[in-house]
Amino acid sequence: ILNVEQSPQSLHVQEGDSTNFTCSFPSSNFYALHWYRWETAKSPEALFVMTLNGDEKKKGRISATLNTKEGYSYLYIKGSQPEDSATYLCAPSGTGANNLFFGTGTRLTVIP
Amino acid sequence: DVKVTQSSRYLVKRTGEKVFLECVQDMDHENMFWYRQDPGLGLRLIYFSYDVKMKEKGDIPEGYSVSREKKERFSLILESASTNQTSMYLCASSHPGTHNEQFFGPGTRLTVL
Repeated sequence: ILNVEQSPQSLHVQEGDSTNFTCSFPSSNFYALHWYRWETAKSPEALFVMTLNGDEKKKGRISATLNTKEGYSYLYIKGSQPEDSATYLCAPSGTGANNLFFGTGTRLTVIP
Repeated sequence: DVKVTQSSRYLVKRTGEKVFLECVQDMDHENMFWYRQDPGLGLRLIYFSYDVKMKEKGDIPEGYSVSREKKERFSLILESASTNQTSMYLCASSHPGTHNEQFFGPGTRLTVL
């Protein structure tokens, strides 16, 4: 079991604001880090998978960075929109493991 | 597109009943997983399987069992449902060659009365 911490637990922002959240995980035996977006009444949907220290991925207004040496990843949303409202989950996996270890998520609400 | 389907979106059962939750994936994935999701607790792994007839306990296996007779199908069984098993149940599958990226089904919201 990997101890994964996400902060903050929940966040309310105004439409147009930029925001970011943090995922912390043990840096030893790191293999990959996944970010998922989980909208209400839908399935979790993969956003990014990152493997290399210093990796940065971008999808539209959402981007993520990875620091495997210190064990953290940041997810950024630029110019938040109401459709960004969701729970954002991070999930690292360790070497030799077939499963992911999910954090409890950051619940984002974007107020129009 | 990867598709993971679950047999029911909503299910209501009575305490003591035997409950089967079925999950089917169509992408020939080796790995399959069952999670439950409860408010404030995130996704908790119940069981997973990395091959037909193979199973591994996750973090919270008590009160559950699983069956994987075919590669595409992974069943979660509640032998005698209890009220504390009221939850959202999510199935997922993955291929080891894609950094274990998991694809999720729509979930089954189970209520045990």
